[in-house]
Amino acid sequence: QSVLTQPPSASGTPGQRVTISCSGSSSDIGSNAVNWYQQLPGTAPKLLMYSNNHRPSGVPDRFSGSKSGTSASLAISGLQSEDEADYYCAAWDDSLNGVVFGGGTKLTVL
Amino acid sequence: QVQLVQSGAEVKKPGASVKVSCKASGYSFASYYMHWVRQAPGQGLEWMTIINPTGGSTSYAKKFQGRVTMTRDTSTSTVYMELSSLRSEDTAVYYCASSNRGPGLMDVWGKGTTVTVSS
Repeated sequence: QSVLTQPPSASGTPGQRVTISCSGSSSDIGSNAVNWYQQLPGTAPKLLMYSNNHRPSGVPDRFSGSKSGTSASLAISGLQSEDEADYYCAAWDDSLNGVVFGGGTKLTVL
Repeated sequence: QVQLVQSGAEVKKPGASVKVSCKASGYSFASYYMHWVRQAPGQGLEWMTIINPTGGSTSYAKKFQGRVTMTRDTSTSTVYMELSSLRSEDTAVYYCASSNRGPGLMDVWGKGTTVTVSS
C-alpha cells in the first residue's frame, strides 16, 4: 500500500484534458515539493514535473502541475496517443526520512 | 551528458544476496544524491534507499532495513545496492536514480537491472 494516493486509472480521448490527483499527508506533500514521473511501457521512469509545477527541459507545456496543502495534481491538456503511460507522484517524507511514491495512474488514450 | 549505467541481470536463489552497481558519468558524482528504486512485475515504484553526497550518509526504507546496504565508491563514480536474504517477492527491476537538487528528486534514471529470485 502506497503512502501517496493516486487513482489507479484515467482515460481521455485525443485533444481532451485529463487530471491525475495525488493525496498525501502533512509529513510528505504538506511539507515538501511534489514531483511527477512518467513511465512509458517497458522503459525506465522519467522526470516529468518537479517542485510542484516546473517542467524539465523538453517536456511539453501541455503538462502542468499544482499543489495545495496535502494534495497535488498533474494536468495534461491536448491529450495525445504518446501520453499513454503510467504516471507516479512522489515526495520526500520528513517522518520516514525517505521518498514516498503514489501507487501510479495508468493513463489510457481512447 | 549525465548517464547512469547499471550492471546486468541477475538470477539468484532464495536466501542468497545480490549486489547491483550503477556507474555515473557526465557530472560531478560527489555532489549528487543517489537513490535505489525497485519495481516488481506489474507493480508500482518502491523507494528503497538514498545516499547523501555530503559525507555519504544513507537512509533506508523501513521495509528493507536490515536487508539492504547502499555504498558508493567516489573514485569510480559508482554506487552499489546489496540486498540479502532474497525471497521470491524481491524479483523486480532495480533502478538507480540521481539528482543534485535535493533528496526528494530523481532527475536521471538508469535503465534498470532485473533481479530474479527463483529456486
